[in-house]
Amino acid sequence: DAMVIQNPRYQVTQFGKPVTLSCSQTLNHNVMYWYQQKSSQAPKLLFHYYDKDFNNEADTPDNFQSRRPNTSFCFLDIRSPGLGDAAMYLCATSRHGTPGGEAFFGQGTRLTVV
Amino acid sequence: GESVGLHLPTLSVQEGDNSIINCAYSNSASDYFIWYKQESGKGPQFIIDIRSNMDKRQGQRVTVLLNKTVKHLSLQIAATQPGDSAVYFCAELPDTGFQKLVFGTGTRLLVSP
Repeated sequence: DAMVIQNPRYQVTQFGKPVTLSCSQTLNHNVMYWYQQKSSQAPKLLFHYYDKDFNNEADTPDNFQSRRPNTSFCFLDIRSPGLGDAAMYLCATSRHGTPGGEAFFGQGTRLTVV
Repeated sequence: GESVGLHLPTLSVQEGDNSIINCAYSNSASDYFIWYKQESGKGPQFIIDIRSNMDKRQGQRVTVLLNKTVKHLSLQIAATQPGDSAVYFCAELPDTGFQKLVFGTGTRLLVSP
């Protein structure tokens, strides 16, 4: 059973048109992450939530925003997508304080900007 | 075969061979390390982890070795199978009090029958 679910799997958006990607989890984990992964590169952390506490990475563009209305859901908003924002976007969760600290990933949303 | 990580991003092996994938990590304060497997079009999948107070950990067909002196991590896969073909990432977790996984450069493993 999928534990971290991302919707949609594939998203096509127009240049400059706002787009929202969604992530839900059934693990009741308190930490949720958004990563951006471009072709043949490692996932790059955009931001994460520790409970409701938002933590932005210093080099994440202002164009990227996030919302976490409750424990289960987290959204990635791209206000004005550019061609350079085409990538796979990965959501992950983890439980702070666990001995392992393993992060569980969703299947990702592949974003195409036309 | 052996990968030298950043300088050899693709490792090609024959089915049945043992594979060794290497990773150099950056933060000497990192407390926890994970190897992830990522198949094409999918999210990373946990393989095995190791804490900084260990130097070796074994799983099913996989072994992770940690050398803190030179900040080096390796993943050994025994009897590599075509289903092992994927990109492998090491990730480190700095001991900063919260979970913030930082991924290293991946290595693509190609297993031919």
